Amino acid sequence: DGGITQSPKYLFRKEGQNVTLSCEQNLNHDAMYWYRQDPGQGLRLIYYSQIVNDFQKGDIAEGYSVSREKKESFPLTVTSAQKNPTAFYLCASSISRNTGELFFGEGSRLTVL
Amino acid sequence: SQQGEEDPQALSIQEGENATMNCSYKTSINNLQWYRQNSGRGLVHLILIRSNEREKHSGRLRVTLDTSKKSSSLLITASRAADTASYFCATDTSGNTPLVFGKGTRLSVIA
Repeated sequence: DGGITQSPKYLFRKEGQNVTLSCEQNLNHDAMYWYRQDPGQGLRLIYYSQIVNDFQKGDIAEGYSVSREKKESFPLTVTSAQKNPTAFYLCASSISRNTGELFFGEGSRLTVL
Repeated sequence: SQQGEEDPQALSIQEGENATMNCSYKTSINNLQWYRQNSGRGLVHLILIRSNEREKHSGRLRVTLDTSKKSSSLLITASRAADTASYFCATDTSGNTPLVFGKGTRLSVIA
C-alpha cells in the first residue's frame, strides 16, 4: 500500500537535545512538507521541498532543519534552538508543487520534558 | 501567514442533521481544499474546488466557493457520529507557496 510513514509516533526529549523525526513516502511524489500543529491551532509550515536536494523555509523554520537526499525521505530535525518544540508534527507529500492534493502521514507527537 | 479562517470554531449537532462550516480567505486563490482530521491523526483530503468553480459535490459533501466574497462553505448532509472530526480549509494561491491552512472547525455529531 502506498502512503506516508512517520516515525516515531510519540517522542520524548530532554531540553537541550536534538531529535530527528522520520518521514518516508512510497508514492513517488516530488514535493514534501513539514507542518507543525499546536492545540486548537491550524497547521503552520516549517519546511518544504519540491525536488531532491532542494528545500525552502516555511513560516516557522527557526530551530528546525531538514534534508532531502532521496526522493522518498524528508527527515526533520528539531534542534535545541527551538524554544517551544512540544507539538504535533505532520509530514505531507504531493505529486508536485502545482498539484493540489496533499497526502499526510499519521503524525509524530513530540514532548519536551 | 494565516490565509483561511474557519467559522464556527466548534459545532455540535445531532446525528441526521446537516453541518455547515465556512471559510474566509484574504487573497486570490487557484483553488481551495477541505481536509478532515480525526483526533490525533493525520489530515485526509476531502474535496478541491478551483477558482472558476462555484459548487462541487462528493457523496454527502457539498462545497461552494464565492470568489467575490472570498469565502467557501462545506456542507455535510445527514451527519453521522463518525463525521466527528476537525475540518480545515486550505488555500492554494498563485505562485510557488504551499497550501496555507486555517485553524479548523471542530465538529461533534451526537448519536
